Amino acid sequence: QVQLKESGPGLVQPSETLSLTCTVSGFSLTSYSVSWVRQPSGKGPEWMGRMWYDGDTAYNSALKSRLSISRDTSKNQVFLKMNSLQTDDTGTYYCTRVLATEASYYFDYWGQGVMVTVSS
Amino acid sequence: EIVLTQSPTTMTASPGEKVTITCRASSSVSYMHWYQQKPGASPKPWIYETSKLASGVPDRFSGSGSGTSYSLTINNMEAEDAATYYCQQWNYPNTFGAGTKLELK
Repeated sequence: QVQLKESGPGLVQPSETLSLTCTVSGFSLTSYSVSWVRQPSGKGPEWMGRMWYDGDTAYNSALKSRLSISRDTSKNQVFLKMNSLQTDDTGTYYCTRVLATEASYYFDYWGQGVMVTVSS
Repeated sequence: EIVLTQSPTTMTASPGEKVTITCRASSSVSYMHWYQQKPGASPKPWIYETSKLASGVPDRFSGSGSGTSYSLTINNMEAEDAATYYCQQWNYPNTFGAGTKLELK
């Protein structure tokens, strides 16, 4: 079955770099795109960026200068790196699978999320 | 960026009651998607392409709308429907609403 699992440090120092890994199973990264979405506690989700199935990437312009998404298809992993972290980057980070329908796209599977706290 | 404004922010409903949650987009979008999230859990796809129910979603749920105005409706509220619902649009950059927290009365 389709699964996504995020992993990475729960605590990051201000101004440091966050590195997260999304390990997927049950589908191929060359057939489906994967997005990163984050959610501050008690707030709505925010789309961060996407690794398209063909290897192309797309980033939220609000984060583009700090964000990088890459992948290793042999390991079924998608990576997120974001630098210059500040306290308002605290939240739960999810990786999600993107399903293309006839008319649109949406996030059809979500990982369990990883809570990231930015604090000294 | 398209801003999605959901209303109400919070609401309570009794079992059997009809519930309507609205989502207004700052610019026209072709479709709206909805997600359900319960405390401590990841969001789940709930309604996609405005009106199509995701797998396993009870048919007391429905979605409608077009342009800048969309809604999610529950006919006959049940206890298990208590959750936070988010709307989401796919134009770049993908954006989500701030959520509507639905509680059981």
